[in-house]
Amino acid sequence: EIVLTQSPATLSLSPGERATLSCRASQSVSSYLAWYQQKPGQAPRLLIYDASNRATGIPARFSGSGSGTDFTLTISSLEPEDFAVYYCQQRSNWPRFTFGPGTKVDIK
Amino acid sequence: QVQLVQSGAEVKKPGSSVKVSCKASGGTFSSYAISWVRQAPGQGLEWMGGIIPIFGTANYAQKFQGRVTITADESTSTAYMELSSLRSEDTAVYYCASGQVLEGWGQGTLVTVSS
Repeated sequence: EIVLTQSPATLSLSPGERATLSCRASQSVSSYLAWYQQKPGQAPRLLIYDASNRATGIPARFSGSGSGTDFTLTISSLEPEDFAVYYCQQRSNWPRFTFGPGTKVDIK
Repeated sequence: QVQLVQSGAEVKKPGSSVKVSCKASGGTFSSYAISWVRQAPGQGLEWMGGIIPIFGTANYAQKFQGRVTITADESTSTAYMELSSLRSEDTAVYYCASGQVLEGWGQGTLVTVSS
């Protein structure tokens, strides 16, 4: 089973700052890595798929990069609505998926 | 994009089973992969399994193998997830989600397991 590790567990930043979130896979997942945002009481929302493609309606301040085992989600300038938990997820052995444990971005 | 609407909250006794439904609209149900993901209180997301209705065969996470059954009814565009031998640790919100990347999500169904 492919294990995903996310760091840091919590990221404390102020609005307007840049957020850099990391996801590492225990083995190569090629570019089959997605990022989701989840706010309290809501279902997750797809942000980025296949490492670097923004999903429909996702603002340009969200970007993804990486391949193989190391991936990054960058939020260029945090808006108040961006404070949430972010999960990475791999589909390299689709239809089997695994999720990372999540990174919480909270207000400093 | 397909829209997914799930059945309502459930309260179950330990040892019993629960069956959650997920009705799809706005897309070609048969060709979409439907996955089930759960989230225990205060915890992260956990993939349980999935199905592509046109193929009919489900895949399950090893953790749930033997205890979960995922099915799909093409005639009603509805997917189902049944979890048996419930224990308190199965208390969670259960989501269905569509696609090879999980672009569409249901609203979630809270399943509470309590004696």
